[in-house]
Amino acid sequence: GAGVSQSPRYKVAKRGQDVALRCDPISGHVSLFWYQQALGQGPEFLTYFQNEAQLDKSGLPSDRFFAERPEGSVSTLKIQRTQQEDSAVYLCASSLRDGSYFGEKLFFGSGTQLSVL
Amino acid sequence: GENVEQHPSTLSVQEGDSAVIKCTYSDSASNYFPWYKQELGKGPQLIIDIRSNVGEKKDQRIAVTLNKTAKHFSLHITETQPEDSAVYFCAASSPTGANSKLTFGKGITLSVRP
Repeated sequence: GAGVSQSPRYKVAKRGQDVALRCDPISGHVSLFWYQQALGQGPEFLTYFQNEAQLDKSGLPSDRFFAERPEGSVSTLKIQRTQQEDSAVYLCASSLRDGSYFGEKLFFGSGTQLSVL
Repeated sequence: GENVEQHPSTLSVQEGDSAVIKCTYSDSASNYFPWYKQELGKGPQLIIDIRSNVGEKKDQRIAVTLNKTAKHFSLHITETQPEDSAVYFCAASSPTGANSKLTFGKGITLSVRP
């Protein structure tokens, strides 16, 4: 079966542009996470969805970052007025059950590499 | 919040030797500790995990040990192969209510010399 799919694979934006990053989780997975991975660093949590509900957005760096999952499947991470410090790989991950099940296996996509010039 | 540290940051071993990667965590409430392998251009892939109610878990050539008193856990890879070369991340998860978000270490680059 298909894994987590992210698009585009690479995105180059000029400073100040808006970008939208897409994530297609594994079909039927309840939980969806977005992580940001700076060069040479580990992934850092951005936000969490349980179905269509955004239950945790504590990791979003600023109000320029917005995520949605309107029908409980595909998710979009939007970054407005991009800045150079937004350059990173944005990873999406999904898991089968909701977040109350600790130790759920996370399946990661290959990420979108965002470069802001 | 949770802080996870990995050491060393790079490790080079000869093919066939063993490799040990260590991590420490700060939050004593953390109860789930996965290890991820990330190859160039790919997302992290879970290779093994351990929960706080056990001290060791093994899966073929890889094993993880957990010392809750000292708040550290380690990944052990035996009979290393060139395809084991990758970046390895440890992570910790603590009960935070609605979700089980992971805090990752900075990663270690493992190189296996043929």
